[in-house]
Formats: sequence, structure tokens, C-alpha cells
Amino acid sequence: NAGVTQTPKFQVLKTGQSMTLQCAQDMNHNSMYWYRQDPGMGLRLIYYSASEGTTDKGEVPNGYNVSRLNKREFSLRLESAAPSQTSVYFCASTIRKTGDDYGYTFGSGTRLTVV
Amino acid sequence: GQQLNQSPQSMFIQEGEDVSMNCTSSSIFNTWLWYKQDPGEGPVLLIALYKAGELTSNGRLTAQFGITRKDSFLNISASIPSDVGIYFCAGSFGNEKLTFGTGTRLTIIP
Repeated sequence: NAGVTQTPKFQVLKTGQSMTLQCAQDMNHNSMYWYRQDPGMGLRLIYYSASEGTTDKGEVPNGYNVSRLNKREFSLRLESAAPSQTSVYFCASTIRKTGDDYGYTFGSGTRLTVV
Repeated sequence: GQQLNQSPQSMFIQEGEDVSMNCTSSSIFNTWLWYKQDPGEGPVLLIALYKAGELTSNGRLTAQFGITRKDSFLNISASIPSDVGIYFCAGSFGNEKLTFGTGTRLTIIP
């Protein structure tokens, strides 16, 4: 019963390097999300995918790209990392039944430092 | 973007005390959710509220969906050490996205 799995758990990048954060869920959820968490800022939505084959920008999409590879997997890519992207990144998913919100299931996060 | 004001930002209490925190929005929400985040982990859903005025409990936790639909409250009774963490409120308009508050950090003083 894995839920939402994120890899890697920790990463240090140099400015300008690229990397992809991986996320997979095994709950047959339709919608998947990427958030970043910064001190005093709460959780801010980067990108989301309402269903397989669709992606949309959230509140803070600049500097990121996403791919909904299939129903299970939703990846976040940093093409050219900047120190401002130092943060904790969370992936989440939800079944999103019509008319109700069942809340999100979160992964345990990726702690990214850009130096 | 939409902002949720969550207060207080931090709380220092003694074990056994009751805790109250709240969240306010400038806009109406259809759903309010409360999450708890333990150190080094992702947030975990505690309580979900779907109707204005709704009062829902989960063990020692009680949450209310404000009648104006612009606020929500979370109470924890008789706090214990495992209650330590960051509590987040979140609101939804009934679409795909949740908006999160900035969190309340709860610390229990020995």
C-alpha cells in the first residue's frame, strides 16, 4: 500500500543544472499535483494534471515543466535550476469524484537545494 | 493568487492543554480541509468539511466550516506529544485545485 511515491528524497544541484523529480501513485487516482513548500509560504501549486494527457499551470509555474506520463506517473522537470528553486517539493493525487473533494494524498517530499 | 490567512503562525503549549486555530479567506469556499504535517513527511488529511456550518470530529480533533463559508476552525482537545507538527487549512471552490494556508506550527513544552 505505497500511496504516492516520490524520488529522490534529497538532491543538491548546481545553478544551471537540470533534473527531473519523479512521482508515482498506485491508487488509480485521476488528478495529480506538484507543490512547493517554503518557510512561511505554505504550499504553493506549481502544476497539476486533472487527468491523463492534460496538464495546467498553477500559481508558480515559471522555471518548471511537467509530464503526465500515464495515469500513475507525473514528473516535474527543472531545466536550469536556480537558487530560488531551493525548496521542498511535494507530489499529491486525488480521485476527484464529481461534486466532492476527497482531499489529496501526499508523497513524503523531495528536498532540493540549488547552490 | 488566492490567499488563506491562518492563525496563529505558531503555538507553544503544555501537554494536556486545548488548542484552537483558524483560517480565513477573502472568497467563499465549497470545501474546507485540515491537514497535519509531521517533520520530514508530507501533509496528511485530518478532517474534510463539505457544508457551511458543518461540525466534524476525528477523535480529539474537531473542525467547523464557518457559516459565511469564508472561514474554518480546528480545535484539539487535551494535547499530547504526538500532536506536534504543522497544521494546514486548505480550501476548494469545487474545482481541481486546493489553496493552502501558511500553516500553524504546534510545539508542546515539556
